[in-house]
Amino acid sequence: GQQVMQIPQYQHVQEGEDFTTYCNSSTTLSNIQWYKQRPGGHPVFLIQLVKSGEVKKQKRLTFQFGEAKKNSSLHITATQTTDVGTYFCAGRIYLTTSGTYKYIFGTGTRLKVLA
Amino acid sequence: EAQVTQNPRYLITVTGKKLTVTCSQNMNHEYMSWYRQDPGLGLRQIYYSMNVEVTDKGDVPEGYKVSRKEKRNFPLILESPSPNQTSLYFCASSLSGTGGGQPQHFGDGTRLSIL
Repeated sequence: GQQVMQIPQYQHVQEGEDFTTYCNSSTTLSNIQWYKQRPGGHPVFLIQLVKSGEVKKQKRLTFQFGEAKKNSSLHITATQTTDVGTYFCAGRIYLTTSGTYKYIFGTGTRLKVLA
Repeated sequence: EAQVTQNPRYLITVTGKKLTVTCSQNMNHEYMSWYRQDPGLGLRQIYYSMNVEVTDKGDVPEGYKVSRKEKRNFPLILESPSPNQTSLYFCASSLSGTGGGQPQHFGDGTRLSIL
């Protein structure tokens, strides 16, 4: 079945270092969303990428969508303690059998920032 | 305040005792979904609904039922809970499940323990 793999599973960084998480899908995605979940909280939407090769920035966060629309990355420059949490990608897949869409979440990358 | 409300937040119960987790959203969203979150597995979709009276299986539907009789409510039913359904459950909604895709808004989560 369709899968979205996310690496790494865990990442510990020193405050001020950069961080990157990668998502790879076994199937072409219609779009990809990124979410952040703080410890003990619920996922919160960060951004959506739709176009092949798209790059979007939010302050220190840079999001990329691959040319083949099968992979994506989130890069954080100069991490801060407020960046702590788990980052999920969610790929949207069109189901030809039902004419509907479903989301498949990656397994998440847990980021710990050491002050 | 726009929100997705889940109840209960925590529940400890025993094998075989039917339970319902309620989910309600006040944003007039068409798309609603249930996920379970387990360590190392990320968020896995249980069921989703594109609109009233339209529901579809996600990736892990076994042992669960849902209904969508009203736009705002999307209850998750465990007819005969088993210990392998012990998990953290999230309900989510978005404006639409079609078109270009919309951000998903998550509830605060329901932690279920089945003994």
